[in-house]
Amino acid sequence: DVKVTQSSRYLVKRTGEKVFLECVQDMDHENMFWYRQDPGLGLRLIYFSYDVKMKEKGDIPEGYSVSREKKERFSLILESASTNQTSMYLCASTPPRGRGGEQYFGPGTRLTVT
Amino acid sequence: RKEVEQDPGPFNVPEGATVAFNCTYSNSASQSFFWYRQDCRKEPKLLMSVYSSGNEDGRFTAQLNRASQYISLLIRDSKLSDSATYLCVAPRDGSGNTGKLIFGQGTTLQVKP
Repeated sequence: DVKVTQSSRYLVKRTGEKVFLECVQDMDHENMFWYRQDPGLGLRLIYFSYDVKMKEKGDIPEGYSVSREKKERFSLILESASTNQTSMYLCASTPPRGRGGEQYFGPGTRLTVT
Repeated sequence: RKEVEQDPGPFNVPEGATVAFNCTYSNSASQSFFWYRQDCRKEPKLLMSVYSSGNEDGRFTAQLNRASQYISLLIRDSKLSDSATYLCVAPRDGSGNTGKLIFGQGTTLQVKP
């Protein structure tokens, strides 16, 4: 069974703080993704990584950065948290080819920025 | 036009009912599509893939209509446990080879006893 874990289920941070969200997958997947999910807006792609140290911006990268130093770990960084970054953050991973529609999601981190 | 568009609902149906959701997409080059299910406060999980021939899995049937650019999901004999949000998903690049996906905002189904 594929397992994607995220470091926290719930997180409360103050405006201006630097925030790290960690994601780990145990299936040796090349591709990893960070999304945020907001009511009425659905899942929006923040960043994507297709290999160690490789990253690509998604639809809403502003205010975020990522790090992929090891294949199994993909970190999302909020450089200076703002209240409009209050959201549910979901990490996902997928095998490289042939099953591109099957993304495995972590349980999500609900981040509140006050 | 949104790349993937769904009626958010909610669809409220009695147990045993048949319910259908539609989803429209804008990229005519897309070859395959997916339905994900998301339970309340949980992560999305793949429910079904949809290719040109459609797909059936028990009470669930997914169909693709390329001419009109929509995908449908039919649920027969609804169960209480089918209550969830159903996300329509298309590949960003049409072929699906990159693994990058576009998610619709979801259609909420509530099955009542």
